Amino acid sequence: AQRVTQPEKLLSVFKGAPVELKCNYSYSGSPELFWYVQYSRQRLQLLLRHISRESIKGFTADLNKGETSFHLKKPFAQEEDSAMYYCALLSGGYNKLIFGAGTRLAVHP
Amino acid sequence: GAVVSQHPSWVICKSGTSVKIECRSLDFQATTMFWYRQFPKQSLMLMATSNEGSKATYEQGVEKDKFLINHASLTLSTLTVTSAHPEDSSFYICSASGGRTRTDTQYFGPGTRLTVL
Repeated sequence: AQRVTQPEKLLSVFKGAPVELKCNYSYSGSPELFWYVQYSRQRLQLLLRHISRESIKGFTADLNKGETSFHLKKPFAQEEDSAMYYCALLSGGYNKLIFGAGTRLAVHP
Repeated sequence: GAVVSQHPSWVICKSGTSVKIECRSLDFQATTMFWYRQFPKQSLMLMATSNEGSKATYEQGVEKDKFLINHASLTLSTLTVTSAHPEDSSFYICSASGGRTRTDTQYFGPGTRLTVL
């Protein structure tokens, strides 16, 4: 079964602390994974995708096929990073995304 | 950048009535549009995928006669919730993709909150 698991509903850290939002997936074949972010009262937007291997707003994510993980990391959290983060897996022939349950990141001053 | 709009942003209706939600791609041609549903504090669940000019593909468990999807042009898709009931109350979100490859980015609309009384 194709599935995305985000085990933490809430991650609360202080400004300047490192952040790791966990994502594990289940998929037979070569996965394509994404992180989406939703800031308060805004629409969902793409943060990064694993095939780009880029860093956006200081965030990075590495695909680990052995551990079937795609954790999102940032070395120093900022208050403006507070948002809902969704990990998503691309599935099927029509660009279909399977979303995890989401993790709310709260960065405190 | 690519912008997707939805109209209305919220709607309240009486049980038994039908509600139409529009999803538009404002500055690109959307070959594929997706409709999601999001319950409070839960993730997005894909309801259906529609390609311009063809019938929508519904996910398992989604009633196609209940949730009518039309993708008549490359910039507009509509979702009609027919004979709405309180259990249909939810946040409906559309996304649009302009490319023809599997990895083309989906751009999301702001969502429409439906409340059925």
